[in-house]
Amino acid sequence: DAGITQSPRHKVTETGTPVTLRCHQTENHRYMYWYRQDPGHGLRLIHYSYGVKDTDKGEVSDGYSVSRSKTEDFLLTLESATSSQTSVYFCAIMVSGGYEQYFGPGTRLTVT
Amino acid sequence: AQKVTQAQTEISVVEKEDVTLDCVYETRDTTYYLFWYKQPPSGELVFLIRRNSFDEQNEISGRYSWNFQKSTSSFNFTITASQVVDSAVYFCASTGGNQFYFGTGTSLTVIP
Repeated sequence: DAGITQSPRHKVTETGTPVTLRCHQTENHRYMYWYRQDPGHGLRLIHYSYGVKDTDKGEVSDGYSVSRSKTEDFLLTLESATSSQTSVYFCAIMVSGGYEQYFGPGTRLTVT
Repeated sequence: AQKVTQAQTEISVVEKEDVTLDCVYETRDTTYYLFWYKQPPSGELVFLIRRNSFDEQNEISGRYSWNFQKSTSSFNFTITASQVVDSAVYFCASTGGNQFYFGTGTSLTVIP
C-alpha cells in the first residue's frame, strides 16, 4: 500500500461540464501520473508530474489539464467533459530509484 | 516508437496447468525498465515485477517466473500450477523516456 487515494471514486457528469479528479499520496513521492483505462487500450498516460508545479503531457493529453501545487496532491481536470472521456482513471506514484509504479484505487467517470 | 504488445487477448486454462503470457516491447532507449502488473476482478492494479534492461537474468518468485530476452525484445511471464486466484488481467509495461507504456493486457481465466 503506497498510501494513494483518489476522489471521487465514482462520478456521473453531463457533457460540457468541468470535472476535477483528485489524487492524494502520503509518502512524498516526487513523480505522480494520471492514466485512463479503456477496453482494448490498456492504460494510457494522460499527464505526469515530476515535482510541485512541474508537469508534462502524456500520449492522450488533449482535453485534460493537471495541477500540482503541493507534493501530495495531483489534480486532473477535464475542462469540458465529453462522452469519449468516460473511462476509469488511475493515479500512480513512481518509487524513486526503483521506477515501479503504485496505483490508486481508480475513479470511474461516466459522461452522459 | 515506444510500444508494448500483448498479442494474447484472452487465455483460459484449467487449474494446475502452466501458462505463459507473452510480452514484446519496442523502445528507442538503451536503458529501460520492464514491468508486469496484475489487475484482479476487483479492479486494483498490483505491481508484480520490475526488470532493468541490463539484467537479463530470469527471475522466479514462487509459482511466478519471468523470462527476459533482449535479443527478441520479449519479457514473458509464466505461472506454474495455476490457481483460480490467478484469474486476472495482466499488463506488461515499459519505460520510454520519462513515460510508461502499457500493453493492452491479457485476460487470464483459470477454470477450477
